[in-house]
Amino acid sequence: GAGVSQSPSNKVTEKGKDVELRCDPISGHTALYWYRQSLGQGLEFLIYFQGNSAPDKSGLPSDRFSAERTGGSVSTLTIQRTQQEDSAVYLCASSRNLAGGYEQYFGPGTRLTVT
Amino acid sequence: DQQVKQNSPSLSVQEGRISILNCDYTNSMFDYFLWYKKYPAEGPTFLISISSIKDKNEDGRFTVFLNKSAKHLSLHIVPSQPGDSAVYFCAASARRNYGGSQGNLIFGKGTKLSVKP
Repeated sequence: GAGVSQSPSNKVTEKGKDVELRCDPISGHTALYWYRQSLGQGLEFLIYFQGNSAPDKSGLPSDRFSAERTGGSVSTLTIQRTQQEDSAVYLCASSRNLAGGYEQYFGPGTRLTVT
Repeated sequence: DQQVKQNSPSLSVQEGRISILNCDYTNSMFDYFLWYKKYPAEGPTFLISISSIKDKNEDGRFTVFLNKSAKHLSLHIVPSQPGDSAVYFCAASARRNYGGSQGNLIFGKGTKLSVKP
């Protein structure tokens, strides 16, 4: 497809379990971003990748969160030992370049519910 | 501490009239601003942007105004249409920081626009 895709679209998991969220960016986009949107909140930046490297991980809420990107393409966001406060919509975006001014194109998101 | 603020969580406008969505920011390093529109169950889609070297950018029915001294920007939609009903997010970035560090957009909490027929 031409756009950013994310899977799964919905994920319900029990507290304490690990989850993996996947993002396929637009082909050729070198920059990839992860955000989350909790209920009633704006988009909270988590992490970005330029190529396969993530220079700034300070946006990740805790050490239970990690992300990787391989081959300059697909990225996986992993949440270990999920907690109820992790419930949110996790959005991935990509842009042609990390340089400012290139608009970010968002995927439809993964709605995570931790019970 | 919110760096990008959208103080109106919702706005209701009659079809054909002007919609004005407001956004304030606190970080003077921000030099690029964007508006995104989001429908339910979809990711945000880019709408319009403005660089800090400009004070106005227009694209069809959408115009963004930037007042740097007031650290304020606004999105005008005229005429408003029912299909414009969505949540509108203001976002900002500090492009001068690029060179290795900042790559993220800072978003406001959004304003839900309802355009009534």
